[in-house]
Formats: sequence, structure tokens, C-alpha cells
Amino acid sequence: QVQLVQSGAEAQRSGSSARVSCKYSGDSFNTDAIAWVRQAPGQGLEWMGMIVPLLRFTTYAQKFQDRVTITADTSTKTAYMELRSLTSEDSAVYYCARQIPKGPAPNYLDAWGPGTWVTVSS
Amino acid sequence: DIVLTQSPGTLSSSLGERVTLSCRASQTVRSNYLAWYQQKPGQAPRLLIFDASTRATDIPDRFSGSGSGTDFTLTIRRLEPEDLAVYYCQQYAKPPITFGQGTRLDIK
Repeated sequence: QVQLVQSGAEAQRSGSSARVSCKYSGDSFNTDAIAWVRQAPGQGLEWMGMIVPLLRFTTYAQKFQDRVTITADTSTKTAYMELRSLTSEDSAVYYCARQIPKGPAPNYLDAWGPGTWVTVSS
Repeated sequence: DIVLTQSPGTLSSSLGERVTLSCRASQTVRSNYLAWYQQKPGQAPRLLIFDASTRATDIPDRFSGSGSGTDFTLTIRRLEPEDLAVYYCQQYAKPPITFGQGTRLDIK
């Protein structure tokens, strides 16, 4: 049973960066993919990107391509998402989720972290 | 990108009823690579259905998915109070992953 534990809420200023961590409990961190999905207040779900630690493979949604970096530390089974040049429109809950392995291809998300609130103020 | 359009936006039904939620794709979702999620207030989404019709682990058989091509359906039989939630469809046939805008299910 995979469990994902995320870092605590962040309050950031416009123009700065946010870094959210996602600690994975389970045996398949290296071969699983970890995706990041965000949800603005009262809005729907938006996929940001994913990483496959074993393949050292990352892919990002075009919308975030220039501002997001997803990394993974296999020694601590922790994935990270950093979003730069924040604006108020980036205020949202950021979720990490386990993606059933299918190489670099997208797939469904069968385990989710509890979410991390990131609030951006000017 | 594949755009998913869910309908209705909000659905209000009574306990014990059967409800049907729709998800329409802007292009064919190959191999029926479509999933459904349930998100209760203040919680993370939970996977209900993948590959259009396969229930995820521990999901009761009141939930069923069907469809192919561009039209998909989530059916909930015998509505229960805990089914109050927003339901999202998601396609993983073609990158990037995209989600529908959600259907809010209210209990009368």
C-alpha cells in the first residue's frame, strides 16, 4: 500500500519560488512515477508534470514548462516540485500522486498525497 | 491536448437513486484510457475507475464505468450520503494528462 506524505503549507511572495516535497512509503519508488497536480480554490484539477526516478525521466505540461522542476531523491524516496516566479494565480493546493508504471507514458493516478496549500501574496 | 467536457455541471439526486455522469472527449481516447475520480470536500481525489470500466481497489460495485471512443459514463447505483462529492474524468491516452472540469453531485 503506497502512502504519500507532503510538506506543510507555504506562504510565498510574488516572484519567489515554492518547493513542495512528497515522501513515498512503499517498495517501488524507483519504478513508479510521481505526478504533480494542482487545484486552485474552487477549481478543477490541473496536471503539472511527472517524474520516473528509475529512468531519470521528467515531463511537464507546456503551461509550466519554463517555471517548474520536478526532482526525486531515491535515497530518501522523496519527490520534489519547485515552482518559480510565483504570482497570485499560483495560489492552490498542490498534490503529488503515484502513477502506475508505464514507462514514460501517462497513466492513471491511484494514490494521492493529502495536498499542500501554497498561498502567494503580493 | 484532449479536452474533456463533463455534464451536467451539477447534479442533485435522492438517496437510493441511480445517477449517470457523462464525460465527452474532443478526440478519440485510444484504448479507453480514461479514469474517474471522486473528490469529497477538503480531501484529495480518490481513484474510482480506470481503463474506462475497471473498478479500483476497494471501490464498491455500486460504481461502474462504461463507454469508448469519445463518450464515457460513470454510473452510481443506489446513491448513499457519502457519495456527495465532485467527480472528475481524466484521460491518459495522449500526453499531457487532462481532466474534465468536474460534476458536483448533491444529495437532495
